Amino acid sequence: EAGVTQSPTHLIKTRGQQATLRCSPISGHTSVYWYQQALGLGLQFLLWYDEGEERNRGNFPPRFSGRQFPNYSSELNVNALELEDSALYLCASSLREGSTEAFFGQGTRLTVV
Amino acid sequence: GENVGLHLPTLSVQEGDNSIINCAYSNSASDYFIWYKQESGKGPQFIIDIRSNMDKRQGQRVTVLLNKTVKHLSLQIAATQPGDSAVYFCAENPSPRGNKLVFGAGTILRVKS
Repeated sequence: EAGVTQSPTHLIKTRGQQATLRCSPISGHTSVYWYQQALGLGLQFLLWYDEGEERNRGNFPPRFSGRQFPNYSSELNVNALELEDSALYLCASSLREGSTEAFFGQGTRLTVV
Repeated sequence: GENVGLHLPTLSVQEGDNSIINCAYSNSASDYFIWYKQESGKGPQFIIDIRSNMDKRQGQRVTVLLNKTVKHLSLQIAATQPGDSAVYFCAENPSPRGNKLVFGAGTILRVKS
């Protein structure tokens, strides 16, 4: 069974540009979560999607947005990129809302120059 | 976001010794806790979990202890091996719905041979 897959693995953008990150959850999982992990720091909750809807978001500005598609895959969009947005962006999926264990992908390393 | 500006503490242990990694959580209403292991260049990997109605749970070479009185969680690794070298994160789920996991800052475990 394939795990959570994220693309691209690495992404380099210039300040002010937009970045789009993609995540495919484990087959059958309906909930997708996005986390930001800045270098040397812990994971910060960004967004949670379930059944195509945004259920919750963390303490991030509106230029961080996303969506979940009918096949439960998800995109994270970051507009007006700033240097501080450079981080590892991790996607996790779980079986359904209220399910406990979340499985993580390998992440997308976003570098803003 | 949360935990901004924190840097990770490091625990160095000799191969074969036992390791104890500690974590303080913030929300007394959290009912589910997880320990994750993150190796360099990889996403977090589930190690062990525990619900708030338990104070101890054992896995293979790992034990998680939960002290709800002081909101403290610990991960014990028996006979630590070089492959255990990684960053370890505790996470709490303060939401009854979904996995809006709140992660601790993380601890770097270095195993000396």
